[in-house]
Amino acid sequence: AQKVTQAQTEISVVEKEDVTLDCVYETRDTTYYLFWYKQPPSGELVFLIRRNSFDEQNEISGRYSWNFQKSTSSFNFTITASQVVDSAVYFCALRAYNTDKLIFGTGTRLQVFP
Amino acid sequence: NAGVTQTPKFQVLKTGQSMTLQCAQDMNHEYMSWYRQDPGMGLRLIHYSVGAGITDQGEVPNGYNVSRSTTEDFPLRLLSAAPSQTSVYFCASSSVRVNTEAFFGQGTRLTVV
Repeated sequence: AQKVTQAQTEISVVEKEDVTLDCVYETRDTTYYLFWYKQPPSGELVFLIRRNSFDEQNEISGRYSWNFQKSTSSFNFTITASQVVDSAVYFCALRAYNTDKLIFGTGTRLQVFP
Repeated sequence: NAGVTQTPKFQVLKTGQSMTLQCAQDMNHEYMSWYRQDPGMGLRLIHYSVGAGITDQGEVPNGYNVSRSTTEDFPLRLLSAAPSQTSVYFCASSSVRVNTEAFFGQGTRLTVV
């Protein structure tokens, strides 16, 4: 069975702090994709990143970075120097190869205080 | 490009009423899906479609019907609304053929009283 666990329900930080959001997944598939989506207070879902199971290279995009480790089935997301605009719910999701079905974690609510 | 368009954005229904949530995409994606989002539970798949004329059940299909007569449209029908269907509904589309991520609509906040 496929499963995504985001154990951190809510995280609060002060602006400029670094914060890491954890994501652990379970799958028996050898080929799969992992995603992070952001849901700001306005409610829409914003795509952040996709990583396929063959590519364990870490990714950095501005203040965002992602650490994918197949050995621990984790795909963690770090925000460096957090800003108030980063306040949102962040979802990690898993998708098997050649399908559209996404398995979402329960989300982590990040609050960044000024 | 409009992307994925959902209507309405908000809806209040009385128990037992029926309604259809509309979803349309203009990206020629073969896959379309409906998810519901409930507090503390993330998003869960209701129904999905891999192309016109083909639909299948997701994790939480009970109480919902779908059909896919065209590539562009994927409406979600509630035949007899129940308070347990109070939720935020998201429609998504993607193309496995060209390996895109899922594009989501703006969401529909449904309250059943």
